[in-house]
Amino acid sequence: GAGVSQSPRYKVAKRGQDVALRCDPISGHVSLFWYQQALGQGPEFLTYFQNEAQLDKSGLPSDRFFAERPEGSVSTLKIQRTQQEDSAVYLCASSLGPGDSDTQYFGPGTRLTVL
Amino acid sequence: GQQVMQIPQYQHVQEGEDFTTYCNSSTTLSNIQWYKQRPGGHPVFLIQLVKSGEVKKQKRLTFQFGEAKKNSSLHITATQTTDVGTYFCAGDRSGNTGKLIFGQGTTLQVKP
Repeated sequence: GAGVSQSPRYKVAKRGQDVALRCDPISGHVSLFWYQQALGQGPEFLTYFQNEAQLDKSGLPSDRFFAERPEGSVSTLKIQRTQQEDSAVYLCASSLGPGDSDTQYFGPGTRLTVL
Repeated sequence: GQQVMQIPQYQHVQEGEDFTTYCNSSTTLSNIQWYKQRPGGHPVFLIQLVKSGEVKKQKRLTFQFGEAKKNSSLHITATQTTDVGTYFCAGDRSGNTGKLIFGQGTTLQVKP
């Protein structure tokens, strides 16, 4: 089937606006990850879901960042009161099972630019 | 901040030359994964190494995992222009969630 999809692909926000980024994982994948990738850097872990449970949110930079996956499939990453330092590519990845033995498949990312 | 270091940051080679990137972690990893990201693209999984001292090959690519499970390397023999991109190593320290700590990446340019 289809791979991981993300929308929108590009988002421009004015500082202070709220944004919502969507991730559609591969159907049936239990694990879902969000990463933030700044220009010229490697992806940095934000949060991890196993089905609908958010098991690790240690990478979220501040309480302005919130992620959910209410039905264990689609996930939304919300950023409130965006700041310029939030500008980055937000990557979503999913894997088939829980744990570290499964390949993570990345989506194309959402490039967020905060003006 | 990042706890997985990669060197070099950039590498320019002539087509046909070999290329190696090195990855070092400050802590022991349960496994290490390698990804390739083309310009404007997203990371694409290449391989996972789990065992101490493990060596895996994919055509012209050779991956190694150190004995102490703290370092790894990717070697490309006889580079081609299709090898252009950024190569990331990513370590899993937790051993049970798949939370990956990525290196900064090595960007490879290949001159035809």
